[in-house]
Amino acid sequence: NAGVTQTPKFRILKIGQSMTLQCTQDMNHNYMYWYRQDPGMGLKLIYYSVGAGITDKGEVPNGYNVSRSTTEDFPLRLELAAPSQTSVYFCASSLSSNQPQHFGDGTRLSIL
Amino acid sequence: AQKITQTQPGMFVQEKEAVTLDCTYDTSDPSYGLFWYKQPSSGEMIFLIYQGSYDQQNATEGRYSLNFQKARKSANLVISASQLGDSAMYFCAMRERFRPAGGTSYGKLTFGQGTILTVHP
Repeated sequence: NAGVTQTPKFRILKIGQSMTLQCTQDMNHNYMYWYRQDPGMGLKLIYYSVGAGITDKGEVPNGYNVSRSTTEDFPLRLELAAPSQTSVYFCASSLSSNQPQHFGDGTRLSIL
Repeated sequence: AQKITQTQPGMFVQEKEAVTLDCTYDTSDPSYGLFWYKQPSSGEMIFLIYQGSYDQQNATEGRYSLNFQKARKSANLVISASQLGDSAMYFCAMRERFRPAGGTSYGKLTFGQGTILTVHP
């Protein structure tokens, strides 16, 4: 009954460091998404994928990269961490574009 | 213009009473969907209820119902018989069809600012 699993749950990075946020889902969903949630705000879409090998930019893609080599996995990479990327990151998946998105528990990332 | 507007930053309700959380939206897509998510203090996003733009009846899921008024572009969440565990942030979201330039069409989900609900014993 895993659903969408994100790792790590918490991370502190120094400015300029890089890291990969992992996301995997076991529901065989085609669509996967990465969002960020800044304090007191709703979620904003970073990148999305409609299937293995296909990724596209969302509203706020700058400073991030993604890949989708399998249906299950959709990692998010930060190449040069900046304080503005301090946020909570959510991965989500859905069976199709008009089905509800199911979210992971989030990764709380601080850049110092 | 805001796509999704939640005008209530915070709401208070007595345990066992009903509460309505407001949501208005703006779209030109005739085929859209409206979602409500709950975010407790632990941080996860929990899907509550969905209403499609062509659905004739208001959606219901247990104690949750969606008061969908298409002409007024509102999709309010009604929680009946509030429980202490209902205290959380609630987000309204709208799904529209969207194709970015040179990209792949997908259901773009836009979130409102959220409403913090506090249930008093």
